[in-house]
Order: sequence, then C-alpha cells, then structure tokens
Amino acid sequence: AQTVTQSQPEMSVQEAETVTLSCTYDTSESDYYLFWYKQPPSRQMILVIRQEAYKQQNATENRFSVNFQKAAKSFSLKISDSQLGDAAMYFCAYSWGSGGSNYKLTFGKGTLLTVNP
Amino acid sequence: DTGVSQNPRHKITKRGQNVTFRCDPISEHNRLYWYRQTLGQGPEFLTYFQNEAQLEKSRLLSDRFSAERPKGSFSTLEIQRTEQGDSAMYLCASSLGVTSYEQYFGPGTRLTVT
Repeated sequence: AQTVTQSQPEMSVQEAETVTLSCTYDTSESDYYLFWYKQPPSRQMILVIRQEAYKQQNATENRFSVNFQKAAKSFSLKISDSQLGDAAMYFCAYSWGSGGSNYKLTFGKGTLLTVNP
Repeated sequence: DTGVSQNPRHKITKRGQNVTFRCDPISEHNRLYWYRQTLGQGPEFLTYFQNEAQLEKSRLLSDRFSAERPKGSFSTLEIQRTEQGDSAMYLCASSLGVTSYEQYFGPGTRLTVT
C-alpha cells in the first residue's frame, strides 16, 4: 500500500524568509503523481503544486518549488519569500492510476506552517 | 465555474440519527471523490464515482454509509445511525477525468455527533 510521511508536524518561518517542508512516500509504482495542498484555518484545501513522476524537472509555481528525488522517494516543498498568507496546514499527497482507474489521493498527516512577522 | 460546493457546512446531530450531505462538483468534472478528515490528520479516501457509477469504496465506509451520484451530477453521502466516531470533516473533490488528475476540493461539511 502507498504511504505518505510528513516528519515535521510544525514549522515556523520569518516573513520574507525561505522554508522547506519535507515529505517521503512509499510506492511500488513507477508512474504516479505528487501534490502539495494547502489548507488554511477553517478554509478549503487548495492545490499548491503538482509533480508528475515521469518528469525529471522539478515543478515550480511562483514562490513555490519542489525538490523531487524519485530514487529516494522524497518530495519536499520550498516556499520562498514567505508571506503571512502562507500560514496554513500543508499536506503532501500521492496519486496513482491509469486509464479508467481511481486516482484517489493518499495524504500525509500534514505540517502546520506558522509565518512570523 | 463556481468551484465545488458542499452543504451543509456544519451539522450537529444526536447519536443514532441519520444525516445526509450534498456535494456539487465543478460542472464538467466526471470524477467525484469523498474523503473524511479527523482532527490532526490528513484526509482519508472514502469512495469514488466516475459519472454515476460508484467504482470504489474504502473499507472505512461501513454499512452505515451510503453514497450516490444520480445522473452523474451532484452526490450525496448518507450516514445512518450516527456514532460519536463519525464526527469529522467530510470533504468532496472533483476532477475532470483521465485527462486531468488534479482534484479540486469543496469547503467540507463538519459533522459533530453528540
């Protein structure tokens, strides 16, 4: 079974600084998808960034980038120039499927990010 | 495109009562997912629809739970004879299908069983 592990229950960062959130996963599949979702307090889950396992290039979305190490099964999220609005619970998630099969998400337990002014 | 909506946003019920939640996916999305999230945990998969067909159910989905998606549009999740352990956030997500694996989440329904 696929599992996702986030070893940092909480992290904090100063505004304008850079922070990296860690995620490891376990799978026997070679083609899959990885995601980082953000869940602000009492607000809905928002997709931050995605990575296809077959792509060697790390995904980037504005201030958010990932370090995808397929052999190590590691998928970390780097937030640059942190802003107060980045404060949220961040979930790493894994998805696999082909054709008509299920692409259900398997989530880690999350990392609570605090941004200090 | 108004996003995924869920109703109600909050539900408080007494143990033993039945509750029903509704999810309206993004209009062109043919895949719909239900997840459950308890405090301090990541969401866990419950069930999945492709159009109107329920194609997979998690072992977390006991016999007291039933989900439907008539005509491949909105979906309902019903919990019969609620228990205190059912207290959680119930999340709905939708995706476009084979061409897109990204799931978009609704705001969730928070269920409290007293």
